[in-house]
Amino acid sequence: GENVEQHPSTLSVQEGDSAVIKCTYSDSASNYFPWYKQELGKRPQLIIDIRSNVGEKKDQRIAVTLNKTAKHFSLHITETQPEDSAVYFCAANSGGGADGLTFGKGTHLIIQP
Amino acid sequence: DTAVSQTPKYLVTQMGNDKSIKCEQNLGHDTMYWYKQDSKKFLKIMFSYNNKELIINETVPNRFSPKSPDKAHLNLHINSLELGDSAVYFCASSWGEGTGELFFGEGSRLTVL
Repeated sequence: GENVEQHPSTLSVQEGDSAVIKCTYSDSASNYFPWYKQELGKRPQLIIDIRSNVGEKKDQRIAVTLNKTAKHFSLHITETQPEDSAVYFCAANSGGGADGLTFGKGTHLIIQP
Repeated sequence: DTAVSQTPKYLVTQMGNDKSIKCEQNLGHDTMYWYKQDSKKFLKIMFSYNNKELIINETVPNRFSPKSPDKAHLNLHINSLELGDSAVYFCASSWGEGTGELFFGEGSRLTVL
């Protein structure tokens, strides 16, 4: 099955600085890589996703990059704001999708004022 | 309208009891899931189900059983509850199997005493 590793587990950055979270996956058949944000006590919500036919995708302050050869993908948040504080999860589909999404262990992003 | 709804939101019970958590989605999705989020925030898939096939994560004890009366509902029944079952259980749904956005319910916090 798919194995998704996520680093770091905790990331503290100054407000206005950039944050980068990295993930690796094991299943070469994986072709969908979403990122979810989970605020305290709430449900995970999709913030951006990328498919294997694309190397980079950007949505305002958030971008995701994918390196299929190396089997890793990253989330980049620029000009961080206090409301970016949350737990972020990367995920990859497994078995070509048949086994749902496998999540990384999460990164607790802390934005220091 | 709530897209994916779960009940109850909180559940406190004694070891050895049997309990159920209900989930309904009004998005017309064809695949539903149950995820477990433990105290360390790890999100782990337990089941995925569409109207054709149930896929069970092999690490899930057989005390856990999903029941789907129809395409819009996937309930989770747990027998002989143990202390280690304490967690937040998230229901989710999507189009296809692991190839599109997961929409999560609000979660059901289960505490086993």
